[in-house]
Amino acid sequence: GAVVSQHPSWVICKSGTSVKIECRSLDFQATTMFWYRQFPKQSLMLMATSNEGSKATYEQGVEKDKFLINHASLTLSTLTVTSAHPEDSSFYICSARDVQGYSPLHFGNGTRLTVT
Amino acid sequence: GEDVEQSLFLSVREGDSSVINCTYTDSSSTYLYWYKQEPGAGLQLLTYIFSNMDMKQDQRLTVLLNKKDKHLSLRIADTQTGDSAIYFCAENPGSQGNLIFGKGTKLSVKP
Repeated sequence: GAVVSQHPSWVICKSGTSVKIECRSLDFQATTMFWYRQFPKQSLMLMATSNEGSKATYEQGVEKDKFLINHASLTLSTLTVTSAHPEDSSFYICSARDVQGYSPLHFGNGTRLTVT
Repeated sequence: GEDVEQSLFLSVREGDSSVINCTYTDSSSTYLYWYKQEPGAGLQLLTYIFSNMDMKQDQRLTVLLNKKDKHLSLRIADTQTGDSAIYFCAENPGSQGNLIFGKGTKLSVKP
């Protein structure tokens, strides 16, 4: 089945630094990938929609300069948390679907970000 | 607006059947989904059902869809301790777009 690989699985960084999270579709091409954030014991909150070859679409309340998204190829999207603060600590999950025909949304295993 | 509701907790005994219920609001959703999330992990797609279907069965999983009432359920037969997880229901308004998730039902399976 379709596999979405997310890296790293967890990361600890200091306040003020930037962290890049990668999301790859391993056996399919994805023109669109979605980035979610999940707070403890809560559901997933869509942050942005990553579009291959064009600018990402951000949800209301999500700072585009804070969460930089790049979707440079049909198999890779990256989320960079810039100038991280402790309140950015969260679980970030990406998802993607195959461009061909209809396919369900598949999720990566998530990245646990802790900002100290 | 778009909203997906599901109960937050369900506790069953090992070997019993579990039924997790969900209601959604967007009648244009072409597909409806069930995902499983284990602690510290991402979401695993369990199954999905096309909106013109009433039922879909896959091994121990049975999905029932009542489109008139916008009600979706997931039945897990012979529930095992390994089924303990959070189960998310999701609707997909616009077949290629984002999913709208419920808050998740935490299933606890007691031996």
